[in-house]
Amino acid sequence: QLLLQESGPGLVKASETLSLSCTVSGDSVSSTTDYWVWIRQPPGKGLEWIGSIYYSGSTYYNPSLKSRATISVDTSKNQFSLHLYSVTAADTAVYYCARERTTLFDIWGQGTMVTVSS
Amino acid sequence: EIVLTQSPGTLSLSPGERATLSCRASQRVSSTYLTWYQQKPGQAPRLLIYGASSRATGIPDRFSGSGSGTDFTLTISRLEPEDFAVYYCQQYGSTQFTFGPGTKVEIK
Repeated sequence: QLLLQESGPGLVKASETLSLSCTVSGDSVSSTTDYWVWIRQPPGKGLEWIGSIYYSGSTYYNPSLKSRATISVDTSKNQFSLHLYSVTAADTAVYYCARERTTLFDIWGQGTMVTVSS
Repeated sequence: EIVLTQSPGTLSLSPGERATLSCRASQRVSSTYLTWYQQKPGQAPRLLIYGASSRATGIPDRFSGSGSGTDFTLTISRLEPEDFAVYYCQQYGSTQFTFGPGTKVEIK
């Protein structure tokens, strides 16, 4: 059974970097059929795709983040990670990692709440 | 960027009633790339419908999707208590994903 688990600090100071990891079990991040993604959801609001990564390291991002996001993959640990730079209160959200298969998100982690404090 | 609009924002219905949710795109979306998700409070979204009309594994047949071009619909034929949730449509185009703002289906 495929499981994804997000991990990282729940509190980040404004202007600093938010760093999260997603550990994949039951599948390999080196799968040639899948991308791996980060999606976020501010409290009480809708979903926003942040970006996607392939096992080779190929990435694509939501341009609305204005290049503040970097996603990387570590095949040896079967993990992928998100770094979001220069965070503000607007980056406070539940952050989900998910598997992207043929342009849909079929398996999601449980999500992790990240609060940006001033 | 393709913008998705969902209506209504909130749908108040009773168990057993039919729910019809709309998702409208600002530009044409390939049906292949139109997806619906269900999200319950405190949970991650769950894949419901892909390719505009195909049910994901384990999704009951009371859920159906239809539409093409810029207008898509999610229908729940007879609402069960567990169906009261928020529903999001999502599209893929030009290496970008966008979600609609969601429709909340609440108990009347």
